[in-house]
Amino acid sequence: DTAVSQTPKYLVTQMGNDKSIKCEQNLGHDTMYWYKQDSKKFLKIMFSYNNKELIINETVPNRFSPKSPDKAHLNLHINSLELGDSAVYFCASSQTEGGYTFGSGTRLTVV
Amino acid sequence: AQSVTQLGSHVSVSEGALVLLRCNYSSSVPPYLFWYVQYPNQGLQLLLKYTSAATLVKGINGFEAEFKKSETSFHLTKPSAHMSDAAEYFCAIKKGNTPLVFGKGTRLSVIA
Repeated sequence: DTAVSQTPKYLVTQMGNDKSIKCEQNLGHDTMYWYKQDSKKFLKIMFSYNNKELIINETVPNRFSPKSPDKAHLNLHINSLELGDSAVYFCASSQTEGGYTFGSGTRLTVV
Repeated sequence: AQSVTQLGSHVSVSEGALVLLRCNYSSSVPPYLFWYVQYPNQGLQLLLKYTSAATLVKGINGFEAEFKKSETSFHLTKPSAHMSDAAEYFCAIKKGNTPLVFGKGTRLSVIA
């Protein structure tokens, strides 16, 4: 009955690799997001999708590419991983004026 | 652009004492305001939200917050702290279709 689920929960990989994080929501929400939480706990929006369409693309390296096959899924693919990409990535979803429902996060460590 | 400022990156209270976490917002129009809690190694959980209805908002786990337009504040309070309240707390703001913008967070420690 998980509302927003992300996989994997932990991801350890070497510099230069390509990796993907998957996100699924079963709340019927129209909008999904990716946030990055750095080592100081600061949360910053990366992308926003509304009904499979990219709405917001903040200043994020183009090595990061979101993909939304349907409105219940929003995946994040990262090419040529760098040390600075190490962070916790959160997926979230929302409906109109409501609050956001967050996934439990993916802790990415680049070594 | 709208933003929120959380005063104090770390707040420490004794068990049973009042919890007060401060948040001030900056917005040209009345915003929607939220408080989220993050327990260690977990995602963010919505505590409460203000969406222009009642100015005193009650949330889960005994928390409440009051929207004060004159002070541009949305402080979070709880009358009596419990050990299980120890966590990171985030104030967030939203206006229209823009995504949630978070403050830098306040870590709450509860001392037995």
